[in-house]
Amino acid sequence: TQLLEQSPQFLSIQEGENLTVYCNSSSVFSSLQWYRQEPGEGPVLLVTVVTGGEVKKLKRLTFQFGDARKDSSLHITAAQPGDTGLYLCAGAGGNNRLAFGKGNQVVVIP
Amino acid sequence: DTGVSQNPRHKITKRGQNVTFRCDPISEHNRLYWYRQTLGQGPEFLTYFQNEAQLEKSRLLSDRFSAERPKGSFSTLEIQRTEQGDSAMYLCASSLAGARTDTQYFGPGTRLTVL
Repeated sequence: TQLLEQSPQFLSIQEGENLTVYCNSSSVFSSLQWYRQEPGEGPVLLVTVVTGGEVKKLKRLTFQFGDARKDSSLHITAAQPGDTGLYLCAGAGGNNRLAFGKGNQVVVIP
Repeated sequence: DTGVSQNPRHKITKRGQNVTFRCDPISEHNRLYWYRQTLGQGPEFLTYFQNEAQLEKSRLLSDRFSAERPKGSFSTLEIQRTEQGDSAMYLCASSLAGARTDTQYFGPGTRLTVL
């Protein structure tokens, strides 16, 4: 059972466009991580959010943690081909294991 | 490079053979985790260690799987009598207990193919 639902599962956009992907759950998390994964590689950490309502920016990427700490969003401004990848959200529920969603596959077309 | 290394990166084996994977965590990290990822899915938790103690095991970890972390540094994951359903990416992660967020950093993974 996936505790975290990510939508859309697949998104293809043109270079320069903006996009937003979502990570939703009915569970409350003490923190939530976003990772990006390339084919054949491990997930690479992008950001950790901890406080409800928190917004973090990483260059053109903006991450928001929901007020109730159950959901999160990732917004990419002026997407570049290098942003192509699988974006995974993972919630930490206090038992030291991460619960992952299935990911948002993003393809940015030059 | 996150500082977590895994070897080998790829392993092809025949059904019924035993395989062993190694993970070297970030040196100051005392927690080490193993996850498994199949195609189209996110990683699923298998087990984790704090120092040399194995503190939690998922029910995904059948009795053919065993993990060790004998000196609290590197860890090994062994799969005995491999089955085709064991084909997956095996990911190792490490973190520092007591840090504010206990963020986990992943290695590049070991891709296992069971023929």
